Amino acid sequence: QKEVEQNSGPLSVPEGAIASLNCTYSDRGSQSFFWYRQYSGKSPELIMFIYSNGDKEDGRFTAQLNKASQYVSLLIRDSQPSDSATYLCAGRGSGGSYIPTFGRGTSLIVHP
Amino acid sequence: EPEVTQTPSHQVTQMGQEVILRCVPISNHLYFYWYRQILGQKVEFLVSFYNNEISEKSEIFDDQFSVERPDGSNFTLKIRSTKLEDSAMYFCASHPGRGRSYNEQFFGPGTRLTVL
Repeated sequence: QKEVEQNSGPLSVPEGAIASLNCTYSDRGSQSFFWYRQYSGKSPELIMFIYSNGDKEDGRFTAQLNKASQYVSLLIRDSQPSDSATYLCAGRGSGGSYIPTFGRGTSLIVHP
Repeated sequence: EPEVTQTPSHQVTQMGQEVILRCVPISNHLYFYWYRQILGQKVEFLVSFYNNEISEKSEIFDDQFSVERPDGSNFTLKIRSTKLEDSAMYFCASHPGRGRSYNEQFFGPGTRLTVL
């Protein structure tokens, strides 16, 4: 059974701070990992994907992957109130499957 | 910018009735998906569709579910006899299958299905 685990939160950070969101996965065969942002009542929106160990940066966002520890994280620098949403971690790509397995998501609240 | 569209935005039905949820994927995309998300729960994969046939499906996608691409633009999900537990948000997604956006599935806005 493939599982992706996230702390449901909420994670509350002040505006301008760094928000750190974490995710662990059970399937060692997973090749790619995705972070989606989902506003309440809306559809998931891809923020970043990562498939190599290490860090990947895109603007205010940095994804980190550690395959040995089966751990993925997302850092959001200079957090804004508009970043307040649920962040979904998903893993994909074991055994020829391209289907993502989603975590339950972490709720992030950025307060002014 | 092209986007995935879904209709209706909200569907209310009686238990045991058939429902058809409709999606129009982005026009040059090759892979199509249905997901569902029960309120407060995870996004769950239902089925993927490529080259006019199902490529993968989950345990949730049993004989009560079917998908079709009837006319080259629409992509539909049919639930034959709805149950209370089918109440959820249903998302359609597509991706081009090649090029820069290979990893990105574009999600539609969802259809909220309420089974009474």
